[in-house]
Amino acid sequence: AQKITQTQPGMFVQEKEAVTLDCTYDTSDPSYGLFWYKQPSSGEMIFLIYQGSYDQQNATEGRYSLNFQKARKSANLVISASQLGDSAMYFCAMRRNQGGSEKLVFGKGTKLTVNP
Amino acid sequence: SQTIHQWPATLVQPVGSPLSLECTVEGTSNPNLYWYRQAAGRGLQLLFYSVGIGQISSEVPQNLSASRPQDRQFILSSKKLLLSDSGFYLCAWSVINQPQHFGDGTRLSIL
Repeated sequence: AQKITQTQPGMFVQEKEAVTLDCTYDTSDPSYGLFWYKQPSSGEMIFLIYQGSYDQQNATEGRYSLNFQKARKSANLVISASQLGDSAMYFCAMRRNQGGSEKLVFGKGTKLTVNP
Repeated sequence: SQTIHQWPATLVQPVGSPLSLECTVEGTSNPNLYWYRQAAGRGLQLLFYSVGIGQISSEVPQNLSASRPQDRQFILSSKKLLLSDSGFYLCAWSVINQPQHFGDGTRLSIL
């Protein structure tokens, strides 16, 4: 069965510093996708970044980058130059294809607090 | 551009009452549609997904049901709500090989 593990319930970072949020996954599928979403206190889920299992390079989107280590089955999110607005829950998710749909399996999330 | 609308934003219902949450998507055709539930302080649990009109798959046994009467409309329902149905409900859409995009969610409280 596919599983996402986020071992950090909470993380703290100083404004303008970088922070890494950990994510490990478990799957026997050769093809899969990994996602990170941000959930502010208002509740909406905001897509941040995507990494395909066959992608050779780590994904980057502005201040977000994904440190993809396939052999270790890890997909850590790196946020550079943290801002106060980055304070939120962050969820790692893996896509599995089944029955024509593309389902996401989510981790339990990491609460990031950015301190001024 | 594509947008997703989900309503209501908050809902307080008594135990045993019916439920209807609606989600609509604009700007895309034949999307995959999803209903998730998030318990307080937890990750998202997939409840239902749909790959087309009238095609609904349930992920977990529960007190809820889903319907897709139109291509871009997804409805979550219950005939009689239970206390355990409280939570934050999120609708999402996707097309093949693209990320899922979520609505703003509905906070459902059962009294």
